Amino acid sequence: GENVEQHPSTLSVQEGDSAVIKCTYSDSASNYFPWYKQELGKRPQLIIDIRSNVGEKKDQRIAVTLNKTAKHFSLHITETQPEDSAVYFCAASKLGNEKLTFGTGTRLTIIP
Amino acid sequence: GAGVSQSPSNKVTEKGKDVELRCDPISGHTALYWYRQSLGQGLEFLIYFQGNSAPDKSGLPSDRFSAERTGGSVSTLTIQRTQQEDSAVYLCASSLSRNEAFFGQGTRLTVV
Repeated sequence: GENVEQHPSTLSVQEGDSAVIKCTYSDSASNYFPWYKQELGKRPQLIIDIRSNVGEKKDQRIAVTLNKTAKHFSLHITETQPEDSAVYFCAASKLGNEKLTFGTGTRLTIIP
Repeated sequence: GAGVSQSPSNKVTEKGKDVELRCDPISGHTALYWYRQSLGQGLEFLIYFQGNSAPDKSGLPSDRFSAERTGGSVSTLTIQRTQQEDSAVYLCASSLSRNEAFFGQGTRLTVV
């Protein structure tokens, strides 16, 4: 089955700087890659997703890039703010077996 | 309701007792997932239902765990003969195929 690895497990960034979280996946047939944000004590919520027909997607301060050849995708957060502090999960799924397989999560801390 | 609803929100049970956790997905969502999240940890996949297909039970940790989804809607996760290591937050999520998965608020299970 699909295996998703996520790095780093923890990340501390000075407020205003950028943060990058990387994920790799094992199944080359995977074609849907969402990112979820889980604030302390809350449920995970989708923040951005990308499908394999595009290489990059942006939404204000967040962006996701996808490299299908290398089988990795990354989340980029620019101009970080204290409210960006949370645990971020990447995931992957494929047509025909659409179970979402999650990475192990990255705890992002924004230092004021 | 507008979102995924889980009940109960909190459950304290004695070791050895059986528990049932309920998930009401968003109406019309064909996919339903159960995940387990221990304190500060990632999302551990338990089981996945998709339409009328046989569920993917590959994540269930032991035969004490079972789940069903009646009528393609409500799902119940049952844990028999609970153990202390079963203590965790159990999260349910639902989605339309290959679209955003919406999570419930979770059930915090404590086995004493």
